[in-house]
Amino acid sequence: EAGVAQSPRYKIIEKRQSVAFWCNPISGHATLYWYQQILGQGPKLLIQFQNNGVVDDSQLPKDRFSAERLKGVDSTLKIQPAKLEDSAVYLCASSLGISNQPQHFGDGTRLSIL
Amino acid sequence: KNQVEQSPQSLIILEGKNCTLQCNYTVSPFSNLRWYKQDTGRGPVSLTIMTFSENTKSNGRYTATLDADTKQSSLHITASQLSDSASYICVVSGRGNEKLTFGTGTRLTIIP
Repeated sequence: EAGVAQSPRYKIIEKRQSVAFWCNPISGHATLYWYQQILGQGPKLLIQFQNNGVVDDSQLPKDRFSAERLKGVDSTLKIQPAKLEDSAVYLCASSLGISNQPQHFGDGTRLSIL
Repeated sequence: KNQVEQSPQSLIILEGKNCTLQCNYTVSPFSNLRWYKQDTGRGPVSLTIMTFSENTKSNGRYTATLDADTKQSSLHITASQLSDSASYICVVSGRGNEKLTFGTGTRLTIIP
């Protein structure tokens, strides 16, 4: 079974620039999550999709972050404009969406803002 | 407020030794508790998932315990190996919304 694929693995940009991350979940997984993980902390949920609908985006800074999941499969997360405090690893995860089933994580995109 | 606290923050042990990591939570109502292993530069990988009715679950050399009454869990690693060096994250899911609350992790280092 192929895992969750994310790209790019690393990205360095200057503040106020824009950036986009891509995620391809495990085939058949209805639920997709984007997390932000700051160094030394646990992941923080940004947005959760069920198929192509948003279930939870309460912690997404909507003035600069946006995400979409067209056709209920791949997803992109965008930051525009980036701030210094956005430096983090952005993790994508997917699951079957059934209780007590694990989330499967990608290896993330490490974003550095100069 | 739902919280998950882990201890110790970091731990260094010799290869071959056993260790136990702790997790306390305040998430209510409770659905399940998960332990994840996160290698440096990689995404978290699920080790165990325990529901309210389960008080122990093993995955190879990893054994997780759960006391739902005291809201505590532990992860015991037996005969540690160098490859066990990683962060171990405790995650609790709330019943109903299945929203996950993450701990900040325990950074485990195994030295030869």
